[in-house]
Amino acid sequence: AQSVTQLGSHVSVSEGALVLLRCNYSSSVPPYLFWYVQYPNQGLQLLLKYTTGATLVKGINGFEAEFKKSETSFHLTKPSAHMSDAAEYFCAVSDRETSGSRLTFGEGTQLTVNP
Amino acid sequence: DGGITQSPKYLFRKEGQNVTLSCEQNLNHDAMYWYRQDPGQGLRLIYYSQIVNDFQKGDIAEGYSVSREKKESFPLTVTSAQKNPTAFYLCASSLSTVTYEQYFGPGTRLTVT
Repeated sequence: AQSVTQLGSHVSVSEGALVLLRCNYSSSVPPYLFWYVQYPNQGLQLLLKYTTGATLVKGINGFEAEFKKSETSFHLTKPSAHMSDAAEYFCAVSDRETSGSRLTFGEGTQLTVNP
Repeated sequence: DGGITQSPKYLFRKEGQNVTLSCEQNLNHDAMYWYRQDPGQGLRLIYYSQIVNDFQKGDIAEGYSVSREKKESFPLTVTSAQKNPTAFYLCASSLSTVTYEQYFGPGTRLTVT
């Protein structure tokens, strides 16, 4: 079965600093990978996804992530944090073969942006 | 506007009562999902449906029931058998079973006292 580990339940950065949120996965087959963002008391919004092809994926709001098969990682980055980036971020994986359309989510990383 | 609606946003019930959470989508998606979210635990899958009149248990189905009589609707009933029903419930949908990108509704916060 697939699994997702997000390192760091809380990450704090200063406005304008680099944002790095870590995600490692395990999957028996090449996965599809996703990052979602959740603002307080709201649903999840898709930031970006990796399915096949280019391993560096660009998403909304200036975020990007790189799929590294050798490291089983899919870390999320943004060069310069903005106050509006403060939210909870979830990494998710689907291994496609064994779980159909199911996604497995990590436990989330709460991002705080300090002025 | 296409999207997923969940109602109500906040729901309060007394212990021992069943309660049904609504989820409707007008995206013409085949697959729908229910998740439960608790602080620090991420999202856990309760039930999912890949087609009308069919659904499967997720990881934490005990104490919950669902139906899928129409493509656009996937209501979740939290029964009195659910030991700890207070949580944030999220409904999602995806185009098909080979399209893994899921779209989420705004959620319903259920409080049982």
